[in-house]
Amino acid sequence: ETGVTQSPTHLIKTRGQQVTLRCSSQSGHNTVSWYQQALGQGPQFIFQYYREEENGRGNFPPRFSGLQFPNYSSELNVNALELDDSALYLCASSLLSHHGYTFGSGTRLTVV
Amino acid sequence: AQTVTQSQPEMSVQEAETVTLSCTYDTSESDYYLFWYKQPPSRQMILVIRQEAYKQQNATENRFSVNFQKAAKSFSLKISDSQLGDAAMYFCARENSGGSNYKLTFGKGTLLTVNP
Repeated sequence: ETGVTQSPTHLIKTRGQQVTLRCSSQSGHNTVSWYQQALGQGPQFIFQYYREEENGRGNFPPRFSGLQFPNYSSELNVNALELDDSALYLCASSLLSHHGYTFGSGTRLTVV
Repeated sequence: AQTVTQSQPEMSVQEAETVTLSCTYDTSESDYYLFWYKQPPSRQMILVIRQEAYKQQNATENRFSVNFQKAAKSFSLKISDSQLGDAAMYFCARENSGGSNYKLTFGKGTLLTVNP
């Protein structure tokens, strides 16, 4: 049983640029959720994807967008990067309504 | 906003001793799930223990147990026989199930240090 894999592990971008983060879900899981974890804080829910559709969204602006593919892997896209977007981005896969989440090791994004 | 509060930013414990991490939460739901996650320097969130709110019995996983007080909305984690490998950031989380959307709301975390 494979776990959740995120890429890249680290990334440095310039303010105003766009970034794409990737997540491969655990085998058998059909739902992917993305979280933003600022330094010294707990993770904050960005959005969730189920069967390739957005299935709930947190308090993040539209420049945060995502995709889920038929194999249940997912991408998080952030446009017009701001300094405050610097954070650890965590992906978690699950089976919808099964109350169990497997997290990846995250992508550390630094915006300069 | 429904919140999860961890009032202890840092805790320390001697190896082989017992430590309790506190967590309180609010919710308007009657049935929900609560979690404790461990985040070591490797950054991956690792599930420590899970509690279903409709179950009165406190969950236990080896050296880890919880004290779940539903009326008080309290969910503390007890680590017995602490080991050096237990040192990490610990997050309490509540699962919201708004319709078909399941998401986790996390506290700010407690940094646990284990002293040899």
